[in-house]
Amino acid sequence: EPEVTQTPSHQVTQMGQEVILRCVPISNHLYFYWYRQILGQKVEFLVSFYNNEISEKSEIFDDQFSVERPDGSNFTLKIRSTKLEDSAMYFCASRGVGIQETQYFGPGTRLLVL
Amino acid sequence: AQTVTQSQPEMSVQEAETVTLSCTYDTSESDYYLFWYKQPPSRQMILVIRQEAYKQQNATENRFSVNFQKAAKSFSLKISDSQLGDAAMYFCAQNSGYALNFGKGTSLLVTP
Repeated sequence: EPEVTQTPSHQVTQMGQEVILRCVPISNHLYFYWYRQILGQKVEFLVSFYNNEISEKSEIFDDQFSVERPDGSNFTLKIRSTKLEDSAMYFCASRGVGIQETQYFGPGTRLLVL
Repeated sequence: AQTVTQSQPEMSVQEAETVTLSCTYDTSESDYYLFWYKQPPSRQMILVIRQEAYKQQNATENRFSVNFQKAAKSFSLKISDSQLGDAAMYFCAQNSGYALNFGKGTSLLVTP
């Protein structure tokens, strides 16, 4: 069964450093998402991406965040200058064409900012 | 703003028994989708069940079923014949535009 994959599974970085989180969505999906979950809290939407552009973003997704689909398979989230409060689990998700399609989540990347 | 509320931070059930997790939501849209996701200790998000709002029939997936009350904006999850592997955080979610809007989750403990 196809699945969303994410790398790395864990990342530790120093405050102020840039990090890139990588995702490979399910191959025939066209909508891609990033969510984050701070430990003990709910999952929060960051951004959605379709047709090589951002279709929607939340208030959390400020100028320090960016997304890119550099090739036909990868979908990345870049955090330009990490802060302590960026420590969280970051989930990538993808879905098919129709609004009725389900979003399938990857296993997540656990980011720790020191 | 759309909100999803899970009023039970923790629930406990004995193995083989049935448990119901509550969820209410607030939306002005007439057509939408509702989901229950399971998050085990590994923290992966696993789809359990989904419900289309335009369908009156409650969704079922093996031991998992929902009680969808559209007028009351209620979407509860029933787990029958609970198993130890069902222990996890359960999140209710509703689609909101392109995104999913999640509740705060219910931690389900399954005791032998």
